[in-house]
Amino acid sequence: AQSVTQLGSHVSVSEGALVLLRCNYSSSVPPYLFWYVQYPNQGLQLLLKYTSAATLVKGINGFEAEFKKSETSFHLTKPSAHMSDAAEYFCAVSVGAGGTSYGKLTFGQGTILTVHP
Amino acid sequence: DADVTQTPRNRITKTGKRIMLECSQTKGHDRMYWYRQDPGLGLRLIYYSFDVKDINKGEISDGYSVSRQAQAKFSLSLESAIPNQTALYFCATSDHRTAEQFFGPGTRLTVL
Repeated sequence: AQSVTQLGSHVSVSEGALVLLRCNYSSSVPPYLFWYVQYPNQGLQLLLKYTSAATLVKGINGFEAEFKKSETSFHLTKPSAHMSDAAEYFCAVSVGAGGTSYGKLTFGQGTILTVHP
Repeated sequence: DADVTQTPRNRITKTGKRIMLECSQTKGHDRMYWYRQDPGLGLRLIYYSFDVKDINKGEISDGYSVSRQAQAKFSLSLESAIPNQTALYFCATSDHRTAEQFFGPGTRLTVL
């Protein structure tokens, strides 16, 4: 079974600073990995996804993430935080094709990002 | 128009009442899911359906039931609501060819 751990339930940065949200996964087969964002009072929106192509994945709003198999990590970064980035971020993992578990997502606990002026 | 819609968006009910949450999608996806979100716990899968004739329990199905009325509709029922079912509930859909899921706006349920 797969699992996801997000390190840090709350991250606070200043506007213009680097954003780094950490995600580690556990999976016995090659995973698909996702980052979703949830703005206040809204549903989840896909930021980016890793599906076994390029290990550095670029997403919307200037975010990117790098898949590191040796570290079982998929950390989310953005070079310069903006006030509008304040939201909750979720990392999720899905096993690859094959078996009835394909398509099920397992989510991390979430990281709330606060951006200070 | 939203691709995945949920009704109601907010609901307050009392312990012991039967509640139904509804989800509809216009994305043409074959797979649908119900999650609940609790602060600090992320999203947890309640039930999922890979096609109209396929229903599967997720990690927290106790106290819930579902119905897949059509490819586009997936309902979640709480037969006898209890306060610890107070949460934000999300419906999601996906196509069998990808793992990416698309989420509805959520239903905030409060059980008093």
